[in-house]
Amino acid sequence: QLQLQESGPGLVKPSETLSLTCSVSSGSISSSTSYWRWIRQPPGKGLEWIGSIYYNGDTYYNPSLKSRVTISVDTSKNQFSLKLTSVAAADTAIYYCARGNQLLGGSFDIWGQGTMVTVSS
Amino acid sequence: QSALTQPASVSGSPGQSITISCSGTSGDVGSYNRVSWYQQHPGKAPKLMIYEGNRRPSEVSNRFSGSKSGNTASLTISGLQAEDEADYYCCSFVGSTTLVIGGGTKLTVL
Repeated sequence: QLQLQESGPGLVKPSETLSLTCSVSSGSISSSTSYWRWIRQPPGKGLEWIGSIYYNGDTYYNPSLKSRVTISVDTSKNQFSLKLTSVAAADTAIYYCARGNQLLGGSFDIWGQGTMVTVSS
Repeated sequence: QSALTQPASVSGSPGQSITISCSGTSGDVGSYNRVSWYQQHPGKAPKLMIYEGNRRPSEVSNRFSGSKSGNTASLTISGLQAEDEADYYCCSFVGSTTLVIGGGTKLTVL
């Protein structure tokens, strides 16, 4: 069963760049039926889609975050990454990576456990 | 794009049925039969419950069902059980690649 694992700093200073990586195991990130996504959830609040990437590098971003977000993929490492620039306290959240499965209508069928990122000086 | 609209909370007694609505627009829920629903227990990652509006992954109980009418999708849980108490989120495509997620609904089993 494919698994996802987020990694990265748990604390980022305001105005700096948040960087996270999602490692894909027991499966290939180059699957033609998979999109790789980032979602976040501020403490006590709902889910927010950040963006998606296909193995060929095509990216799709939430319009509200597009100016600050970059998602990239490294097929040699079976990983994809998130960079969010100019962070502020409002970016404090649990960040999840997930797979979008085209065989299931593009739904998020596999999720990582999530990683908490706090923006604070 | 605005988040899909869900009721903040719903409740029901064990054995009863409840329905959670997810209101969107003709540009998202109304245009595509690609609404999915997720269950999230406290401290856990979300779990896929329904995809393509009314399809269930094999591991999900048939007590969960989905439907759509116009710009509103719905999730119905029948035979409520204590373990169903969780937050539920709907999600829809906007166009072929952009996504929007609902604000979430807290289900309380009385």
